[in-house]
Amino acid sequence: SAVISQKPSRDICQRGTSLTIQCQVDSQVTMMFWYRQQPGQSLTLIATANQGSEATYESGFVIDKFPISRPNLTFSTLTVSNMSPEDSSIYLCSVILAGGSAFDTQYFGPGTRLTVL
Amino acid sequence: AQSVTQPDIHITVSEGASLELRCNYSYGATPYLFWYVQSPGQGLQLLLKYFSGDTLVQGIKGFEAEFKRSQSSFNLRKPSVHWSDAAEYFCAVFTGGGNKLTFGTGTQLKVEL
Repeated sequence: SAVISQKPSRDICQRGTSLTIQCQVDSQVTMMFWYRQQPGQSLTLIATANQGSEATYESGFVIDKFPISRPNLTFSTLTVSNMSPEDSSIYLCSVILAGGSAFDTQYFGPGTRLTVL
Repeated sequence: AQSVTQPDIHITVSEGASLELRCNYSYGATPYLFWYVQSPGQGLQLLLKYFSGDTLVQGIKGFEAEFKRSQSSFNLRKPSVHWSDAAEYFCAVFTGGGNKLTFGTGTQLKVEL
């Protein structure tokens, strides 16, 4: 397995501001993902973070709203831009360890709980 | 498109009782199936997974799941529930077409002492 940390663990933000969430992994990974878990709901994939290139976004998510960076194999950031109360969610990163395929086990970080006022 | 259904939103069981959480998937071929658990304030932890082979798979914390192709199901079971099992449980399916993991809506488990 891997140890995955996310910063911040939680935050309360004002409408119209932006927040950048960091995800750090202690071992080499093949793939990194960002998910959103809205209150009382399941996880929805936002995007796949690609090292050194633009992330691959799922339907309904756009780069202007959720810019993602992945400068190396073990670190990624997700920015939630121009926030509104509807963005209040838990944001989780997940990884597939090095040597794994797309269908292998995803390991999840502890999540970032975001509240937008 | 692939989908995952967890029919039970909430389940309450007494400590020591047996547990079965239901999961049904929709996909034409054999899927890769997962069960995750999310404890309050924590991320998701993998309980078990099915890729191929034996249809009964064993996981951590005494959990097991059985893949039934004819019923498109992958139900999670535990013979004797502990109070610490209270959490939310998610079934997920990976299918090559979408190349992503699709989660069910989750089942919230409450354990009565």
